[in-house]
Amino acid sequence: SQTIHQWPATLVQPVGSPLSLECTVEGTSNPNLYWYRQAAGRGLQLLFYSIGIDQISSEVPQNLSASRPQDRQFILSSKKLLLSDSGFYLCAWSARWTPLHFGNGTRLTVT
Amino acid sequence: AQRVTQPEKLLSVFKGAPVELKCNYSYSGSPELFWYVQYSRQRLQLLLRHISRESIKGFTADLNKGETSFHLKKPFAQEEDSAMYYCALRDNNDMRFGAGTRLTVKP
Repeated sequence: SQTIHQWPATLVQPVGSPLSLECTVEGTSNPNLYWYRQAAGRGLQLLFYSIGIDQISSEVPQNLSASRPQDRQFILSSKKLLLSDSGFYLCAWSARWTPLHFGNGTRLTVT
Repeated sequence: AQRVTQPEKLLSVFKGAPVELKCNYSYSGSPELFWYVQYSRQRLQLLLRHISRESIKGFTADLNKGETSFHLKKPFAQEEDSAMYYCALRDNNDMRFGAGTRLTVKP
């Protein structure tokens, strides 16, 4: 069966520091991969999605970036974090025509 | 681009009462719609999708293309239904979510 792993679960980083959140999927190949940010009252904001290696669509211009170095690995990065980057980040995967399956999320606090 | 609107951020009902969580969408094509739920300390998970036309945990949702709505309904709410509910619409690989409705079912 397919599983999705997302880490770390929580992260506290100072303003201006870099960020790397990792997400991996097991048990499937060529999944669609997604990064969302969940904020109270604002729902789930789609940040990036990828339909294949090096095929990444960015939905919101900001200081975050995403990379997909391997078929089942999706990384969310930043070179310099801002206070406004604090939030709950969710990774998800789907196969074509199947619903999204979410990871447990990462709570990021930028201090 | 598609858009999903959940007009109620908070909804509170008593146990045994009917509940309806509203979802409206704007989309030019034929929509693929979902309801996701997040219980306390659990990951976000699929509740139901419109193409399945199924009832999950007593919940149903009917796609109304004329009103561009996909409201989630349950005739008799239970305390364990308290959770955050998100409506979502997919256009090919692009999945968009509404702002969510926090449902509280009081004893």
